[in-house]
Amino acid sequence: DVKVTQSSRYLVKRTGEKVFLECVQDMDHENMFWYRQDPGLGLRLIYFSYDVKMKEKGDIPEGYSVSREKKERFSLILESASTNQTSMYLCASGTGQGNEQFFGPGTRLTVL
Amino acid sequence: GENVEQHPSTLSVQEGDSAVIKCTYSDSASNYFPWYKQELGKGPQLIIDIRSNVGEKKDQRIAVTLNKTAKHFSLHITETQPEDSAVYFCAASKGAGGTSYGKLTFGQGTILTVHP
Repeated sequence: DVKVTQSSRYLVKRTGEKVFLECVQDMDHENMFWYRQDPGLGLRLIYFSYDVKMKEKGDIPEGYSVSREKKERFSLILESASTNQTSMYLCASGTGQGNEQFFGPGTRLTVL
Repeated sequence: GENVEQHPSTLSVQEGDSAVIKCTYSDSASNYFPWYKQELGKGPQLIIDIRSNVGEKKDQRIAVTLNKTAKHFSLHITETQPEDSAVYFCAASKGAGGTSYGKLTFGQGTILTVHP
């Protein structure tokens, strides 16, 4: 079974802090994605990566950056956390040929 | 870019009834339409998908229909059971090839509650 793991299930941070969310997949997938999930808005794509060190902006990249130094690991970085970044963050991975995305369990981030 | 609208936002049914969730999309180049189910405390999981060269697909109690002309697709769940209670998301994609990289645009989600 494909497994996508996220470093934390719950995280509480203060405004202005730098926050790192880590995601690891074990299926050698080329593509990895970061979404945020908010009630009534569905899942919105923040950034994605199609190869090591390659990244592209999604629909809502402002206030975020990403890092992919190894194929299995994709990190989301909040340079200076703000209260409007309080949300559920979901990581997903997928192959370069198929369409299915496999999701991690999510990290619920609260910024105070 | 692509825009996906999903309705209804909440749906409450009695066990054994059918449930229908509808989505519309805006980009005629989209060719892949998956449905994901998200149970409490878990990430979304693919339950069924359809490609633009197919009008209908069925897998046991769930089915998806696609109308390319009208740019809408629907999820049908028959004989609903309490374990079907979850949040359901539709999505649209231009596929995994080229510069699409399998990116998905999701609808807003539907909270389905099945009452015993």
